[in-house]
Amino acid sequence: DAGVIQSPRHEVTEMGQEVTLRCKLISGHNSLFWYRQTMMRGLELLIYFNNNVPIDDSGMPEDRFSAKMPNASFSTLKIQPSEPRDSAVYFCASSLGSDQPQHFGDGTRLSIL
Amino acid sequence: AQSVTQPDIHITVSEGASLELRCNYSYGATPYLFWYVQSPGQGLQLLLKYFSGDTLVQGIKGFEAEFKRSQSSFNLRKPSVHWSDAAEYFCAVAPDSSYKLIFGSGTRLLVRP
Repeated sequence: DAGVIQSPRHEVTEMGQEVTLRCKLISGHNSLFWYRQTMMRGLELLIYFNNNVPIDDSGMPEDRFSAKMPNASFSTLKIQPSEPRDSAVYFCASSLGSDQPQHFGDGTRLSIL
Repeated sequence: AQSVTQPDIHITVSEGASLELRCNYSYGATPYLFWYVQSPGQGLQLLLKYFSGDTLVQGIKGFEAEFKRSQSSFNLRKPSVHWSDAAEYFCAVAPDSSYKLIFGSGTRLLVRP
């Protein structure tokens, strides 16, 4: 079975550029999570969707970050404009329900120069 | 403050030796509890979970964990470690038994041949 699929796996870009990270959920899952992992802060939840609706975006760092679910199986996380401090590994996870175990993708390693 | 603590940043064991990774949490009610493993360059894989019932839970790859309410702990164990177990291990807690996972800072396991 296909797991959570994230693209790209690596992204290197210059500060000020727009960055778009993509995530395909596991088929049948209705909950979607975006996380950021850094050495300093560990794993942090950025935003949580349930049935395509953003439920909790309290972890989104600032207005430069936005996330969407245009359909039930796909999500994007956009950073515009990007800054060097956004460099991190970004993970997407999905689950069958809000209280079910989350299944993680392999992440996108983002470097902002 | 509410937190998840993994007191050991690194642990080194010999192949074939037993393993115990510690996890303590500070939340009032019994939360949902999880252990995840992360290999380099990959996402987090769920090893096991505790929601309720039997306090000793079995997971994948020969791992088990025991929930001890009196100690607010959920330690991960394996009787005989394999070289392929070398990875980073994360304890996670869903404090109100919902979607919001709070992760510990992780324990990196090194396995000596």
